[in-house]
Amino acid sequence: DSGVTQTPKHLITATGQRVTLRCSPRSGDLSVYWYQQSLDQGLQFLIQYYNGEERAKGNILERFSAQQFPDLHSELNLSSLELGDSALYFCASSVGYGLQPQHFGDGTRLSIL
Amino acid sequence: LAKTTQPISMDSYEGQEVNITCSHNNIATNDYITWYQQFPSQGPRFIIQGYKTKVTNEVASLFIPADRKSSTLSLPRVSLSDTAVYYCLVGDMSNFNKFYFGSGTKLNVKP
Repeated sequence: DSGVTQTPKHLITATGQRVTLRCSPRSGDLSVYWYQQSLDQGLQFLIQYYNGEERAKGNILERFSAQQFPDLHSELNLSSLELGDSALYFCASSVGYGLQPQHFGDGTRLSIL
Repeated sequence: LAKTTQPISMDSYEGQEVNITCSHNNIATNDYITWYQQFPSQGPRFIIQGYKTKVTNEVASLFIPADRKSSTLSLPRVSLSDTAVYYCLVGDMSNFNKFYFGSGTKLNVKP
């Protein structure tokens, strides 16, 4: 158990819809990261928050947005969903930033029909 | 992060030692090297991290030559449960990075 909690575990929705993925980091961790992993693809870094502020941005689409709240949990919002957005979305957390070891959740599997 | 290059896949047999090499020719002075393991449909798991020479923990060893342009993850006496994808990352410990996991190395351990 990594201590990182992601909800929901599975999400099925239709094209054009909007969903919110939630992540609770390990106790004491200030950084939260979001990744996307499509079938048989590598992990794609989306975005990082540290203590409530956005700190690094990867290949995150404009249709996607995220935030980290004062209690340090984070949400990833995906809108105008397309078939290609079907993927596993992982959240990770770490104590600080930089190349600190990241602890990953079990992921949310998003299926777009 | 510094760009890294790993073999796409490797095969091994149970009980053997496996060495996975990662090339990072553009590693910077302040960069560290980190390895992760990922099983299908699970999030990656941190294995080991190092800066130079050799680091060992209960799971693996990490060998880094003096020029630091490559590193080798060594898994002693692998078992079937070590079948996974292994990722090498190189980056600064004190700056915000855009993390690049790449495709990793898919290790297939055979009985």
